Amino acid sequence: QKEVEQNSGPLSVPEGAIASLNCTYSDRGSQSFFWYRQYSGKSPELIMFIYSNGDKEDGRFTAQLNKASQYVSLLIRDSQPSDSATYLCAVDQTGANNLFFGTGTRLTVIP
Amino acid sequence: EPEVTQTPSHQVTQMGQEVILRCVPISNHLYFYWYRQILGQKVEFLVSFYNNEISEKSEIFDDQFSVERPDGSNFTLKIRSTKLEDSAMYFCASSFDRNTDTQYFGPGTRLTVL
Repeated sequence: QKEVEQNSGPLSVPEGAIASLNCTYSDRGSQSFFWYRQYSGKSPELIMFIYSNGDKEDGRFTAQLNKASQYVSLLIRDSQPSDSATYLCAVDQTGANNLFFGTGTRLTVIP
Repeated sequence: EPEVTQTPSHQVTQMGQEVILRCVPISNHLYFYWYRQILGQKVEFLVSFYNNEISEKSEIFDDQFSVERPDGSNFTLKIRSTKLEDSAMYFCASSFDRNTDTQYFGPGTRLTVL
């Protein structure tokens, strides 16, 4: 069965620190990887996507992909209290842009 | 900025009743999706729709569910005979391109089945 696994947390970091969120996936055929942020009661909001092995940076966010290890991560630098949310890892396993989500990691940034 | 809209924001219904959830995708998008999220659980794919037909559907999307694009703007999800376990947040999403674009989610409709 295809799975996307995340540590549910909660993960607590002090303001200004680096938050590291991790995700593993089971389907080696997965092609596209996404990180969404979801505030309580709200819809998922795209933060970043990554297709190739290595790092991809966008502002305070860095996504890292290692297809050999079937591992994707998100680093948030200079964490802010407004970053407190659940972070969802999503994988396009079939190449058809139908996303399979992990359960999410709840992040709390402590002022 | 264009956005996906959904109505109603909250729908309460009795078990066994039919409900229709409505979505207006972003105007130049061609691919449409429904996802659901049971409270406290992960977001789950239901169905994708392109060119007026279903592209893919998950095991959740059984005969009780149907989708339709009745006109040039709306995209609907119908649940024929609701069950208690259909209570969830239902998200509509749309994208321009199937393979490389990203999906934009609507705000969701919270469905409560009593």
